[in-house]
Amino acid sequence: SAVISQKPSRDICQRGTSLTIQCQVDSQVTMMFWYRQQPGQSLTLIATANQGSEATYESGFVIDKFPISRPNLTFSTLTVSNMSPEDSSIYLCSGTGLAGGPPQYFGPGTRLTVL
Amino acid sequence: SQQGEEDPQALSIQEGENATMNCSYKTSINNLQWYRQNSGRGLVHLILIRSNEREKHSGRLRVTLDTSKKSSSLLITASRAADTASYFCATPPAGANSKLTFGKGITLSVRP
Repeated sequence: SAVISQKPSRDICQRGTSLTIQCQVDSQVTMMFWYRQQPGQSLTLIATANQGSEATYESGFVIDKFPISRPNLTFSTLTVSNMSPEDSSIYLCSGTGLAGGPPQYFGPGTRLTVL
Repeated sequence: SQQGEEDPQALSIQEGENATMNCSYKTSINNLQWYRQNSGRGLVHLILIRSNEREKHSGRLRVTLDTSKKSSSLLITASRAADTASYFCATPPAGANSKLTFGKGITLSVRP
């Protein structure tokens, strides 16, 4: 299994600013993902974080708004850019094991409030 | 788009009772997974059932899969207050074993 931590755990930000969320895994994982969970809703996949190359974004999400880095097999960042109140959500990162298959291990999430 | 749809959306039971949650999905799957999310926390993987399996057990959990009806159920027996959480079913699309599409989730409240 893998233990995933995220920083910050929560933040309150002003509209128009950007926030970078860090995701650290205690062991190497093959796949890393970023999800958004809007209040009272399910999880929506934002993108797959690819090591050493550009992330693969899902429909409705773009790199300019959600730039993602993954410099190695244990670390990734997600930036929420030019924030608006609609970006208020919980952002979660997850990873799979080295074999790449299920299950996914999730971080505790970052609760973002945009005023 | 949502792949899994759980029902009921909310369930409230007494400690010691069994809780049954259902999930329906739309497309062919290789496996179906159930996750639990405690309030304000990340998700924890509970159990995975493969498309060629019909039933699986893990402790107090029992999951069934009916691929002809594209549905799954999660049964928690002898529920405890600590089982209070949101439960999600999730499926990877065909050919993408890792990406997951989550259902809307079921909020389970277990009264002590």
